[in-house]
Amino acid sequence: KQEVTQIPAALSVPEGENLVLNCSFTDSAIYNLQWFRQDPGKGLTSLLLIQSSQREQTSGRLNASLDKSSGRSTLYIAASQPGDSATYLCAVRRGFGNEKLTFGTGTRLTIIP
Amino acid sequence: AAGVIQSPRHLIKEKRETATLKCYPIPRHDTVYWYQQGPGQDPQFLISFYEKMQSDKGSIPDRFSAQQFSDYHSELNMSSLELGDSALYFCASSSKSGLVRSDTQYFGPGTRLTVL
Repeated sequence: KQEVTQIPAALSVPEGENLVLNCSFTDSAIYNLQWFRQDPGKGLTSLLLIQSSQREQTSGRLNASLDKSSGRSTLYIAASQPGDSATYLCAVRRGFGNEKLTFGTGTRLTIIP
Repeated sequence: AAGVIQSPRHLIKEKRETATLKCYPIPRHDTVYWYQQGPGQDPQFLISFYEKMQSDKGSIPDRFSAQQFSDYHSELNMSSLELGDSALYFCASSSKSGLVRSDTQYFGPGTRLTVL
């Protein structure tokens, strides 16, 4: 059974700093991995999707990397801003015919102005 | 750009009542997914549909059923509601075929169900 872990559960950093969020998964046989952000009580916003054959994806100040063999992904946020404060979730999908996303429990990020 | 639409956004029901949640996927998306997120929990996959057929099933209780219609919208029907069913219910959509194939699951804003 796939287990997805995100450590730390919460992180506070001063505005302007670069930071890295971690995601690890137990079963390396994944189809893709997706990073989301969730604001309190709100929906999930897709940030980046990395296919299993890819090593990284970039969007603006965000860069996500994937090391499938070691079961790890990182989300790098450059020049953090207060608006980045949210919970960040990673989710893995097992296979093309397997639809479900298995989510990690998230990292609650607070950017201190 | 059009997003996933869910209705209602908030729903309050009594125990043992029934509820129907609706999901309208992004135009030209053919696949819908339902997830349940309890308080302080990560989202849990319930069920998915592709081209009106069930494509995968997760931890969906027998009291719940869902379907996808010819216009690709989906409904999640929940009966004999229990207090533990109180949660945020998300619908997501993606496209497996055609010119807009995308593996990214795009989530709607969710329906917050409260069972009293």
